[in-house]
Amino acid sequence: EAGVTQFPSHSVIEKGQTVTLRCDPISGHDNLYWYRRVMGKEIKFLLHFVKESKQDESGMPNNRFLAERTGGTYSTLKVQPAELEDSGVYFCASSRTGWEQYFGPGTRLTVT
Amino acid sequence: RKEVEQDPGPFNVPEGATVAFNCTYSNSASQSFFWYRQDCRKEPKLLMSVYSSGNEDGRFTAQLNRASQYISLLIRDSKLSDSATYLCVGTGAGSYQLTFGKGTKLSVIP
Repeated sequence: EAGVTQFPSHSVIEKGQTVTLRCDPISGHDNLYWYRRVMGKEIKFLLHFVKESKQDESGMPNNRFLAERTGGTYSTLKVQPAELEDSGVYFCASSRTGWEQYFGPGTRLTVT
Repeated sequence: RKEVEQDPGPFNVPEGATVAFNCTYSNSASQSFFWYRQDCRKEPKLLMSVYSSGNEDGRFTAQLNRASQYISLLIRDSKLSDSATYLCVGTGAGSYQLTFGKGTKLSVIP
């Protein structure tokens, strides 16, 4: 069974630019999550989709972040416009039941 | 106070040693707990779920004490391949969002 995949693995952009991250969950997993780890801090929850619906977006830092999951398959996370403090590693995870979550390799975002 | 607190380590232990990690959590409504393992610059990988009755998977034993809001992980007969950061993770009440500790770094030395 293929794991969670994320694209790109690395992204370097300038402040003010837009970046879109993509996540493909494990096939058959209705639950999809986004998390972020900024330097020196713990991994923090951003949001949770069940199929195409946002179940919980309480962790989204502000309205510069937009997540979508059209069709209930892959998801995108867009940051527009990017700020320096958005730098970090963005992880996607998926789960069949909700409890045991399997993580993708992450996208390392650097905003300069 | 952090929701999930761990000793960051590092724990440097010889091969074959037994090592224990502890973790405390502040949200008494947290329902489920897990230990994840994270290798350098890699994603967190689920190691095991943690139950009040305690659970064992090979050389790994996890325990949850709800009264003390404390979780433990015991690794017996440490291998070089056990070197990693171990993340203590809980969930909220009625929520699937995971709350991570900052992790405890383990180095197993030959």
